[in-house]
Amino acid sequence: GAVVSQHPSWVICKSGTSVKIECRSLDFQATTMFWYRQFPKQSLMLMATSNEGSKATYEQGVEKDKFLINHASLTLSTLTVTSAHPEDSSFYICSARVGGYYTEAFFGQGTRLTVV
Amino acid sequence: DAKTTQPNSMESNEEEPVHLPCNHSTISGTDYIHWYRQLPSQGPEYVIHGLTSNVNNRMASLAIAEDRKSSTLILHRATLRDAAVYYCILRGVNRDDKIIFGKGTRLHILP
Repeated sequence: GAVVSQHPSWVICKSGTSVKIECRSLDFQATTMFWYRQFPKQSLMLMATSNEGSKATYEQGVEKDKFLINHASLTLSTLTVTSAHPEDSSFYICSARVGGYYTEAFFGQGTRLTVV
Repeated sequence: DAKTTQPNSMESNEEEPVHLPCNHSTISGTDYIHWYRQLPSQGPEYVIHGLTSNVNNRMASLAIAEDRKSSTLILHRATLRDAAVYYCILRGVNRDDKIIFGKGTRLHILP
């Protein structure tokens, strides 16, 4: 099946710094990618929808200036957590689709962000 | 937003079949029923999906009720590796193709 790869798998950063997470579709082109955040013992929460060549669409309550999303190519979307704080520590997961709602979706392996 | 309802947790013995239920009484005619699972510290992975008819693949079977208001994911012979959180999700043309996760069912496999 199709592969979605995230990098890095884990990252530790200091409070106040910015962190970039990459999401790549390795063997297919993804016009749309999705970014999720997951806190311990909780379900995945959709943060935003990333569309190639256009601005991302953010879910209600997600700060677009804090979580910068760039989808510059059909195989790469990036999430930058700006001015990270300890409360941003979480598991971040991206997803990409090949077709529409009638096809399976593919997920990256996740990125564990720890802000100290 | 159509909601799915799943039990919080279930237990099963290794090498026995597991039936994971999901209720989706407000499903619309164009909604597909998708199942994903998440192993510890990993991203979700696709399990199976269907529209009206029962579906089988190498991982599992999906039994869909005739009125489509409920479905059951069947793992025919559970292994320890199947311990995960299983999510039942509706995807359709009216949902902007977003995948919205509920709480899912945490499946424990007993050796």
